[in-house]
Amino acid sequence: EAGVAQSPRYKIIEKRQSVAFWCNPISGHATLYWYQQILGQGPKLLIQFQNNGVVDDSQLPKDRFSAERLKGVDSTLKIQPAKLEDSAVYLCASSLVQGGDIQYFGAGTRLSVL
Amino acid sequence: GQSLEQPSEVTAVEGAIVQINCTYQTSGFYGLSWYQQHDGGAPTFLSYNALDGLEETGRFSSFLSRSDSYGYLLLQELQMKDSASYFCAVRESGTGRRALTFGSGTRLQVQP
Repeated sequence: EAGVAQSPRYKIIEKRQSVAFWCNPISGHATLYWYQQILGQGPKLLIQFQNNGVVDDSQLPKDRFSAERLKGVDSTLKIQPAKLEDSAVYLCASSLVQGGDIQYFGAGTRLSVL
Repeated sequence: GQSLEQPSEVTAVEGAIVQINCTYQTSGFYGLSWYQQHDGGAPTFLSYNALDGLEETGRFSSFLSRSDSYGYLLLQELQMKDSASYFCAVRESGTGRRALTFGSGTRLQVQP
């Protein structure tokens, strides 16, 4: 069974530029999460989708971050414009059931904002 | 809100047993989860405790005491490949939020 796929693995941009990350969850998983993981910290939820609807985006900085999940499968996370403090690993995860405690993570995209 | 406290680093030798503690403050939650993350890798699920007591999965065991707001992950017969970061996480109940909240992680170094 294929795992959660993310791309790109690494991205380097300058502040004020925009960037987008892509995620393909495990087939059949209705719930998709985007987390931000700053070095030395645990993952922090940015947004959660159930199929193509948003369940929780309370911690998403909506002035610069946006995410969508068209057709309830793939998802993209965008940052525009990026700030220095956005440097982090962006992890995508999926679970079979909503609110599942067993989540399957992708390897993440490491973003460096210069 | 909720917070989870873990030691930042633990060091142990191959073959030994190590315990990683997690204390939490939350008004209510469904259960305590543990995830492992190697450097540059994806977090992977290890264990879940919905009820008080010990759950055993091979060399790894996890314990939960809701009355003490405390849990731990026990790793036995340590191997070099166990060197990684370990995160405890909870899913809060009663707020409508369904996602996991993670602790800051414990970096385990296994030495020969």
